[in-house]
Parts: sequence; C-alpha cells; structure tokens
Amino acid sequence: DGGITQSPKYLFRKEGQNVTLSCEQNLNHDAMYWYRQDPGQGLRLIYYSQIVNDFQKGDIAEGYSVSREKKESFPLTVTSAQKNPTAFYLCASKRGTNNEQFFGPGTRLTVL
Amino acid sequence: AQSVTQLDSQVPVFEEAPVELRCNYSSSVSVYLFWYVQYPNQGLQLLLKYLSGSTLVESINGFEAEFNKSQTSFHLRKPSVHISDTAEYFCAVSDRGMRFGAGTRLTVKP
Repeated sequence: DGGITQSPKYLFRKEGQNVTLSCEQNLNHDAMYWYRQDPGQGLRLIYYSQIVNDFQKGDIAEGYSVSREKKESFPLTVTSAQKNPTAFYLCASKRGTNNEQFFGPGTRLTVL
Repeated sequence: AQSVTQLDSQVPVFEEAPVELRCNYSSSVSVYLFWYVQYPNQGLQLLLKYLSGSTLVESINGFEAEFNKSQTSFHLRKPSVHISDTAEYFCAVSDRGMRFGAGTRLTVKP
C-alpha cells in the first residue's frame, strides 16, 4: 500500500536535546512538507521541499532543520534552539502543483 | 500570501441535524480550496477539494462544499450528521505549502 509513514508516534525528550522525526513516503511524490500543530492554531508550515536536495523555510523554521537526500525521505530535526518544541508534528507530500497533500499519522513530541 | 479564516472554533450539534462549517479565504486570482478532517491523534484526511469546474463539490460520506467567489467562501455542509462525524475540520487554500484555517471542532451529540 502506498502512503506516508512517520515514526515514532510518541516521542519524549529532555530539554536541550536534539531529536529527529522520521517521514517516509512511497507515493513517488516530489514535494514534501513538515507542519506543526498546536491546539487552536491549525497547522503551521515549518519546512518544505519540492525536489531532492532542495528545501525552503516555511513560516516557523527557527529551531528546526531538515534534509532531503532521497525522494522518499524528509526527516525533521528539532534542535535545542526551538524554544517550545512540544507539539504534534505532521508530514505531508504532494504530487503536482495544485493537488491535495497527503498526510502521515503524525508524531507527538513531548519535551520534559 | 493567502489566508484562511474558519469562523467557528467549535460547533456542537445533535445527531441527524444539519450542520454548516464556515470558511473564508483571502482573495486571489486563482484559488484551490480543500477541506480536511482530523480524528484524535491522527493525521489529516482529505474530505473534498475545489480545483476548477463546478462550484459545488461533494464527498463520499455526504458532505458538500460550495465555492463562492464573490463572497470568498468555501463553507462545508452536511444535511444530517452522525456521531461518527465528530472530529476537527480544517479548511485550506493552496499556497507554497498549504494555508490552513485554525480548525473547527464538530461535536455530534446523541
């Protein structure tokens, strides 16, 4: 089955530690996205990548980093510079220019 | 950049009642609009989309939305809701990523 996987579903980290969230897709989509979801604020774009080896900052990129070495993978690193990292993180991918995005199941990150 | 406003943060309704979830977007030359549904602790699932053509679009589970260019709206409606429709609903407009509204929590009560 084609789809997007994110792992792990729940992640706990101590304050000051970097953590990397995984996102893999086998839909052969060129574009991939990372969003952060907080209660009452909808989804906010962190980073996006339209092709391999290229990515762009979204609206709230500070404290995050990404890489896109393979078409299928778009990992997100939450660094210690992110002041409020506890949130639900969603990865998405898209085929074409104006089609819908397909979402993974999300990773809930809690920083203690 | 385009923006999306969902006018109601919470909508409680009784089962089998009609419901409308309101969405307005900022005007643009061309616009592509979407409604997504999210169940607790899950990702978003596409409910329906407007890309072009007929302004009334329907989903497989009875929801429909109408693109109204003059009012810059894309409200979501269902004539009779079920308990299983309880979820959070997001309106979105296509942009470099996708611009989402803040969401509307629909709660269907028995």
